[in-house]
Amino acid sequence: AQTVTQSQPEMSVQEAETVTLSCTYDTSESDYYLFWYKQPPSRQMILVIRQEAYKQQNATENRFSVNFQKAAKSFSLKISDSQLGDAAMYFCAYRRGSNYKLTFGKGTLLTVNP
Amino acid sequence: GAVVSQHPSRVICKSGTSVKIECRSLDFQATTMFWYRQFPKKSLMLMATSNEGSKATYEQGVEKDKFLINHASLTLSTLTVTSAHPEDSSFYICSALKRWGDSVNTGELFFGEGSRLTVL
Repeated sequence: AQTVTQSQPEMSVQEAETVTLSCTYDTSESDYYLFWYKQPPSRQMILVIRQEAYKQQNATENRFSVNFQKAAKSFSLKISDSQLGDAAMYFCAYRRGSNYKLTFGKGTLLTVNP
Repeated sequence: GAVVSQHPSRVICKSGTSVKIECRSLDFQATTMFWYRQFPKKSLMLMATSNEGSKATYEQGVEKDKFLINHASLTLSTLTVTSAHPEDSSFYICSALKRWGDSVNTGELFFGEGSRLTVL
């Protein structure tokens, strides 16, 4: 079975600084996708960024970028120029290429200090 | 993007009663929806896959007679918690799959706002 591990229950960052959230996963599949979701206090899950396993290039979305290390099964999220609105719970998630069931990590609560 | 709406956002019920939660894809058709359960300060756990026009597929350990799922149309899936008990209190989240092609990988998931169930 696939597992997703987020080893940082909580993280904090100063506004305008950079923070990296860690995620590792375990799978025997070769075709899969990785995601970072943000869950603000409103509780609705918002997709931050996605990475296809077959792509070597790290995904980037504005201030959000990932460091995808396939051999190490590591998928960290870097948030640059942190903003107060980035404060939320961040979940790393995995799915196999053949279906859309998501396996989530336990989440990292990010606090942004003004 | 796409919009997925859940209703109600909050519901309080007495132990022993049944509660229905709706998940609607407002601007696209979704043949597949997923139901998750999230305990306080915990991760999301997949409960079941809801398929339009067929029976839902439940994850191991989820009681299908307890959590009834109906996906009667291309825009609506419902989760009914039957004979609810306090231990069923939780945050329930749905996601809907929006496809733009026939390939298994031509799609994206959109989440509803979640429904908080409190059973007294």
